[in-house]
Amino acid sequence: AQRVTQPEKLLSVFKGAPVELKCNYSYSGSPELFWYVQYSRQRLQLLLRHISRESIKGFTADLNKGETSFHLKKPFAQEEDSAMYYCALSISGNQFYFGTGTSLTVIP
Amino acid sequence: KAGVTQTPRYLIKTRGQQVTLSCSPISGHRSVSWYQQTPGQGLQFLFEYFSETQRNKGNFPGRFSGRQFSNSRSEMNVSTLELGDSALYLCASRRVGETQYFGPGTRLLVL
Repeated sequence: AQRVTQPEKLLSVFKGAPVELKCNYSYSGSPELFWYVQYSRQRLQLLLRHISRESIKGFTADLNKGETSFHLKKPFAQEEDSAMYYCALSISGNQFYFGTGTSLTVIP
Repeated sequence: KAGVTQTPRYLIKTRGQQVTLSCSPISGHRSVSWYQQTPGQGLQFLFEYFSETQRNKGNFPGRFSGRQFSNSRSEMNVSTLELGDSALYLCASRRVGETQYFGPGTRLLVL
């Protein structure tokens, strides 16, 4: 079975502090992993995907196959980062499994 | 390029009724997926359609069904509505091998 776990439903950090949103997955094959973000009153949108290995809005995420994790990190949180973040796993690029999401609040 | 559109945006139904939701994908996108979003469960995959064929299906009862038309537009139907079906239903479209683009969702309230 495939499963994505985001252990924190709510996360609050101060502006300028580092932030890490945790994501662990369970899949025996080679997964493709994503982070999606949903800002208030906006659509769910892709933030980054592990195969791109790029930094978007200062966020990075590294796939750790040994720990089956894909944590999202940013060294200095900004107020505009406050949003709902979903980690997702894709099987063969067709079926997507999402975690339950982490609501990030950046305190000014 | 127009984004994914979903109609209606809001819907109120009573238990036992059925409902049909519509999704128009981005032009050129042949894959359409449907998700149910609730506060407690997050996003749960319902099914995916590609070229008018259901390619993948999530773990939902048979009351949830869908179809895709030749123009890639998709509909989702829920029969015999239950209170627990109240949720935001999201549609996403994509080109094969590329990222998904989500619609704004249809918020369904079952009374």
